[in-house]
Amino acid sequence: AQTVTQSQPEMSVQEAETVTLSCTYDTSESDYYLFWYKQPPSRQMILVIRQEAYKQQNATENRFSVNFQKAAKSFSLKISDSQLGDAAMYFCAYRGWDGGSQGNLIFGKGTKLSVKP
Amino acid sequence: DSGVTQTPKHLITATGQRVTLRCSPRSGDLSVYWYQQSLDQGLQFLIQYYNGEERAKGNILERFSAQQFPDLHSELNLSSLELGDSALYFCASSVGSSNQPQHFGDGTRLSIL
Repeated sequence: AQTVTQSQPEMSVQEAETVTLSCTYDTSESDYYLFWYKQPPSRQMILVIRQEAYKQQNATENRFSVNFQKAAKSFSLKISDSQLGDAAMYFCAYRGWDGGSQGNLIFGKGTKLSVKP
Repeated sequence: DSGVTQTPKHLITATGQRVTLRCSPRSGDLSVYWYQQSLDQGLQFLIQYYNGEERAKGNILERFSAQQFPDLHSELNLSSLELGDSALYFCASSVGSSNQPQHFGDGTRLSIL
């Protein structure tokens, strides 16, 4: 079974600085998707960024980028120019390539990010 | 706004009771997923429906059941409630069963007294 591990329960960053959140996963599949979701205190689950495993190029969405290392099964999230609104719980998630039983997301335990003014 | 609507937002009930959580997916989405978020278990997948049919089951208790109706809305039924069922229940939807991102509703906070 696939597993997702986030080894940093809490992280802190100064406003305008850069922070990297770590995520590792375990799978025997060769094709899959990886995601980062953000959950602010409002408790919404907001998709931040996604990466297809078959793509070597790292995904980027404005200030958010990932470092995807397929061989190492690592998928870290880098937040540049951190803003107060980035303070939230961040979840790394895995989903298998094709439908059926592999359609659901498997989540890590999350990393709570605090942003200091 | 994700386009996924969950009702109610909060639900308070007692042990042994039965409740129904409702989810309306985004327009055009055929897949509905239910997740449970609790302090001790984290975010766990419960069950998935695709176009009215059950597609996958996760860590869903036998006391829990779900269905997806012809208009694609879904209901999660929780019965014989226990204190440990207190959690945030999310519904998510996507266009297909696998390749598209899942968009989450705001969740239903269930508190068992």
